[in-house]
Amino acid sequence: AQKITQTQPGMFVQEKEAVTLDCTYDTSDPSYGLFWYKQPSSGEMIFLIYQGSYDQQNATEGRYSLNFQKARKSANLVISASQLGDSAMYFCAMREVTDSWGKLQFGAGTQVVVTP
Amino acid sequence: EAQVTQNPRYLITVTGKKLTVTCSQNMNHEYMSWYRQDPGLGLRQIYYSMNVEVTDKGDVPEGYKVSRKEKRNFPLILESPSPNQTSLYFCASSSIRFNEQFFGPGTRLTVL
Repeated sequence: AQKITQTQPGMFVQEKEAVTLDCTYDTSDPSYGLFWYKQPSSGEMIFLIYQGSYDQQNATEGRYSLNFQKARKSANLVISASQLGDSAMYFCAMREVTDSWGKLQFGAGTQVVVTP
Repeated sequence: EAQVTQNPRYLITVTGKKLTVTCSQNMNHEYMSWYRQDPGLGLRQIYYSMNVEVTDKGDVPEGYKVSRKEKRNFPLILESPSPNQTSLYFCASSSIRFNEQFFGPGTRLTVL
């Protein structure tokens, strides 16, 4: 069963605007971690941000923030003040700690195109 | 420089010819993992290792083997490659805290 769902296959955003990428997850494990990665057209995978299920505050890293709504099982990525270099594929991923510590599952990704 | 390296970066081979993709990390990470990426499917985990001599299956292990004899290396072995294993492969590593995972540059494999 798909545990990570990214419902937006692609989106356009104007430079300097904020963009929210949706991610919902499915788990019964009380302890888990959520990740966001960026994959530019060059192909490398770049770690952006991490949120633990017990973290009290939403994670932030520079222009990236994670809108973590535990009850809704959602972990949306917010990119503020988009730049042309933000054009990339973005992946949400989850690790369940208790049952399968080493497994990491990814969503299908959202393609973001930033326009001038 | 902290990094995960993979070799080769590109490989074209034929069905049934055994191959190995190497992965090495210089960060003394306990955890290493292999993924394959296919269009529309995101990344799917093949195998992972939590330490030397400890490996476990991910979601798509069929047709692959791994070994972890040294902490820094985690090779992926395809004993009899088939065309459905044509894909982009990533190796990754992480410390035991697992709040960040470093990826290698990827290996694009084509099996004819």
